[in-house]
Amino acid sequence: DTAVSQTPKYLVTQMGNDKSIKCEQNLGHDTMYWYKQDSKKFLKIMFSYNNKELIINETVPNRFSPKSPDKAHLNLHINSLELGDSAVYFCASSQDVGAGIYEQYFGPGTRLTVT
Amino acid sequence: KQEVTQIPAALSVPEGENLVLNCSFTDSAIYNLQWFRQDPGKGLTSLLLIQSSQREQTSGRLNASLDKSSGRSTLYIAASQPGDSATYLCAVLTSGTYKYIFGTGTRLKVLA
Repeated sequence: DTAVSQTPKYLVTQMGNDKSIKCEQNLGHDTMYWYKQDSKKFLKIMFSYNNKELIINETVPNRFSPKSPDKAHLNLHINSLELGDSAVYFCASSQDVGAGIYEQYFGPGTRLTVT
Repeated sequence: KQEVTQIPAALSVPEGENLVLNCSFTDSAIYNLQWFRQDPGKGLTSLLLIQSSQREQTSGRLNASLDKSSGRSTLYIAASQPGDSATYLCAVLTSGTYKYIFGTGTRLKVLA
């Protein structure tokens, strides 16, 4: 009965490759997020979708492209991977964004290592 | 631009002590503040969410307070246990945005 799940948990790949990370939530939430946690453990938002609409698009290289096929899924595709993309990527969801009364729930993370 | 700072960066305490973790933010116009814990190699677990209209929230041995005017929140952990060892993160949702800004975290170790 996992709330927010991500696949894969670990991803090791070479520079220049293209890879995808998948996220699914079974909480019935309307809003989903992608975060990046760097080697210093600092967590920063990348994207957010509300009802399949992009509402946050931070200063992220356009090699990163999120896709939300439906409210329960938010995938992250990365083209032409670089060494600096190595990090842990977290997916999260919340019931909605309005009024700030809704908690965020996080997935277990995907550790991406680019060699 | 909202900035969130947590002090101390790391803390070691003997089991049974009461402790306080601090979170400071620069823009007091917030919707809410959320406290999380992160265990090594794991995701974040939500502990408490305080809305801007609230002063504090309690869950078991945890109590979080919010003082918007001074841009501060504290997380109080009573009677600490080794199982409380983790990194604690606070995150602020600034008014007019949909973005949570995370603090730098406090790494807590409770010694048996």
